[in-house]
Amino acid sequence: EIVMTQSPATLSVSPGERATLSCRASQSVSSNLAWYQQKPGQAPRLLIYGASTRATGIPARFSGSGSGTEFTLTISSLQSEDFAVYYCQQYNNWPQYTFGQGTKLEIK
Amino acid sequence: EVQLVESGGGLVQPGRSLRLSCAASGFTFDDYAMHWVRQAPGKGLEWVSGISWNSGSIGYADSVKGRFTISRDNAKNSLYLQMNSLRAEDTALYYCAKDNESGMFDYWGQGTLVTVSS
Repeated sequence: EIVMTQSPATLSVSPGERATLSCRASQSVSSNLAWYQQKPGQAPRLLIYGASTRATGIPARFSGSGSGTEFTLTISSLQSEDFAVYYCQQYNNWPQYTFGQGTKLEIK
Repeated sequence: EVQLVESGGGLVQPGRSLRLSCAASGFTFDDYAMHWVRQAPGKGLEWVSGISWNSGSIGYADSVKGRFTISRDNAKNSLYLQMNSLRAEDTALYYCAKDNESGMFDYWGQGTLVTVSS
């Protein structure tokens, strides 16, 4: 099983500032990496797939990068609605997909 | 509009069984793989199981292998999860999710809550 490790567990950032979230895979997943955003009481929402492609309707302030085992989600200028929990997910290994444990992005 | 509506959750005793259903609409169901993902209270997401469009390829998380069975009925646009030998650690909100052909989940239901307790 591929283990996904996200860091940090909690990130405190002020509105308008940049946030950088990390995700590491225990073995290469190529670019088969997605990021999701989850707000309290809601289902997750797909943000990024293919490590760097924004999903439909996702604002340009969200960007993803990386390949192999190291990935980054960057939110360039945080808006109030961006404070949430973010998960990475590998889909390189059908049919055994795995999620990271999540990073909670909170207001500083 | 894509809709995924889960049902079948509830309170069940340890060791008993439960069957979850997911009714899909708004897309051609038999073109896509489907998945179950769960979230224990206050915890993160855990992929549970996935099934290809024609049921020819199926996978399970190690935590549920041998106890859970995923299936689908393309004629009814429905996905199922048969859960046997339930344990307290299976308590979670269970989401149905659509695979977009490449492996990421582009649509999710709102979930159905399963509580395993005596």
